[in-house]
Amino acid sequence: SYELTQPPSVSVSPGQTATITCSGDALPKKYAFWYQQKSGQAPVLVIFEDSKRPSGIPQRFSGSSSGTMATLTISGARVEDEADYYCYSADSSGNHRGVFGGGTKLTVL
Amino acid sequence: QVQLVESGGGVVQPGRSLRLSCAASGFTFSRYGMHWVRQAPGKGLEWVAVIWDDGRNKYYADSVKGRFTISRDNSKNTLYLQMNSLRAEDTAVYYCARDGDGSEHYFDCWGQGTQVTVSS
Repeated sequence: SYELTQPPSVSVSPGQTATITCSGDALPKKYAFWYQQKSGQAPVLVIFEDSKRPSGIPQRFSGSSSGTMATLTISGARVEDEADYYCYSADSSGNHRGVFGGGTKLTVL
Repeated sequence: QVQLVESGGGVVQPGRSLRLSCAASGFTFSRYGMHWVRQAPGKGLEWVAVIWDDGRNKYYADSVKGRFTISRDNSKNTLYLQMNSLRAEDTAVYYCARDGDGSEHYFDCWGQGTQVTVSS
């Protein structure tokens, strides 16, 4: 079955740049999407179609994708950005199924 | 504003059934595909099922195929998930989510979730 791989944790100091990666064999052909989930809350879309930012998401959030790796970058991370981040992508087999990465816990302190 | 409100969760014994509902408002429900996504305690997100805007096409994760059924009533702006033959591993928070307006499925809005606990 298709899998997306993320690092379990990333830690940065406030104001630094946080980079979270997501690797998957279908990413050259499929978009990556990124979700932020704060403790006890529902997920929120922060990046769609590799690099687009929904309205209301701060400009410090950006995304990119190259080959089999997608990247979420938070420039000038803030304490309030501390959360779990999940990448998501569709299975390339055409069965309309999707898969999430295992999630990355971002610590900002 | 877009609002998705799940209901129907609870504690249920293994092998029994439960039906979840998701009431949608703030957008034209009949124009959007809808998903169910779940999250087991302390675990990551897992996509469960998707249904097309007109209800004609439905797809499921292997973990629930044959046991769960996604459906919708566009006249009531409501999404459903019928869960049969429940197992302990189905214990999770279940979220409904709206399909994004793009060439690939994704989730642009989420409900707050409803807890399902399968335990004897």
